[in-house]
Amino acid sequence: GQSLEQPSEVTAVEGAIVQINCTYQTSGFYGLSWYQQHDGGAPTFLSYNALDGLEETGRFSSFLSRSDSYGYLLLQELQMKDSASYFCAVRGEVSGGSYIPTFGRGTSLIVHP
Amino acid sequence: DSGVTQTPKHLITATGQRVTLRCSPRSGDLSVYWYQQSLDQGLQFLIQYYNGEERAKGNILERFSAQQFPDLHSELNLSSLELGDSALYFCASSPAGDTNYGYTFGSGTRLTVV
Repeated sequence: GQSLEQPSEVTAVEGAIVQINCTYQTSGFYGLSWYQQHDGGAPTFLSYNALDGLEETGRFSSFLSRSDSYGYLLLQELQMKDSASYFCAVRGEVSGGSYIPTFGRGTSLIVHP
Repeated sequence: DSGVTQTPKHLITATGQRVTLRCSPRSGDLSVYWYQQSLDQGLQFLIQYYNGEERAKGNILERFSAQQFPDLHSELNLSSLELGDSALYFCASSPAGDTNYGYTFGSGTRLTVV
């Protein structure tokens, strides 16, 4: 089976940097993804790491350490619009050869002025 | 607009009833995935279809079933509804049977069972 742990809530101020951690336990691992979801809205894909290291996409970066079964999402120059839930998702094998993401419970990021 | 269309947006129904949720994938995408999101829960994978065939199954109840039609739209059927089935149901699509680049989600159907 697969399980993921991430903090339930993180708060920060506008302009700051925040890191959302994710640890996982999985029998098979093929990558770690991050999604953003504004309240009740559609989850939006942010990033994907298959190999160790840092992937940067604008203000957002994602890091993976496979040996530690750990990753994080780093958000820089926080803006009010970044207030949302952030989900990490482990891509593991499901029956039939498909690699379906298993999502964590999500971290609610609250950005204060 | 993500390109993935889900209808209806909201659905209120009574326990014991049956409902059908519909999803049209993004143009060119062959795979459709169904997810359930309950309050304060992550996204629970239900089932995947690829080009009309069932490809993978997750934690889908026997009361639930799905199919993908020749035009690639998909329907999720929920029957003998219980209060606990109240949730957001998301459909996502991807170009192939598998992808490294994430899925495109629709806006979801909010189901309320009373």
